[in-house]
Amino acid sequence: SQKIEQNSEALNIQEGKTATLTCNYTNYSPAYLQWYRQDPGRGPVFLLLIRENEKEKRKERLKVTFDTTLKQSLFHITASQPADSATYLCALDITNSGYALNFGKGTSLLVTP
Amino acid sequence: GAVVSQHPSWVICKSGTSVKIECRSLDFQATTMFWYRQFPKQSLMLMATSNEGSKATYEQGVEKDKFLINHASLTLSTLTVTSAHPEDSSFYICSARGSYEQYFGPGTRLTVT
Repeated sequence: SQKIEQNSEALNIQEGKTATLTCNYTNYSPAYLQWYRQDPGRGPVFLLLIRENEKEKRKERLKVTFDTTLKQSLFHITASQPADSATYLCALDITNSGYALNFGKGTSLLVTP
Repeated sequence: GAVVSQHPSWVICKSGTSVKIECRSLDFQATTMFWYRQFPKQSLMLMATSNEGSKATYEQGVEKDKFLINHASLTLSTLTVTSAHPEDSSFYICSARGSYEQYFGPGTRLTVT
């Protein structure tokens, strides 16, 4: 069966450090992978989409890598701030056609001053 | 990004009653919307795909007679939880499709007593 695993339930880091979150998947052949941020009691907010032919994508302090051989994506937040504290979700399109998404359980990031 | 609203943001109802949740795309037309459910510390689970002007497509295990979805216009989809039971208590989130990313509403917290 298809699985998306975010192998850290929680990650605590100090302000200013780089946070690295991992997403592994099985039984998918994704054309692209997405990352979302979710704050408590709120809906997810889209952050980044990376395609299978892109090794790396950046947006401000965010960087995503995508290794289709390893079936893994890494999500980095550089110069982290307490405001970055949230749950980060990895998502894959079920059919690669802009259909609905399957989500990982998420990694809860806490950035302390 | 596009804005999706949900109403109500939270609702408490008695067991056996029905509850309607509205999802609106505020600044764009959404031919396809999705309904997800999220239990505490769990990932978002897709319930159904709502297509404007046609019947919703439900995921396996989701009772279509219990979770009624109507997508009567390009900006509004509704989810009605009929004959609600305590086990239906959850966080319900809708989303609308962009190109490949999704724009989520803020969610509705349903508590059935």
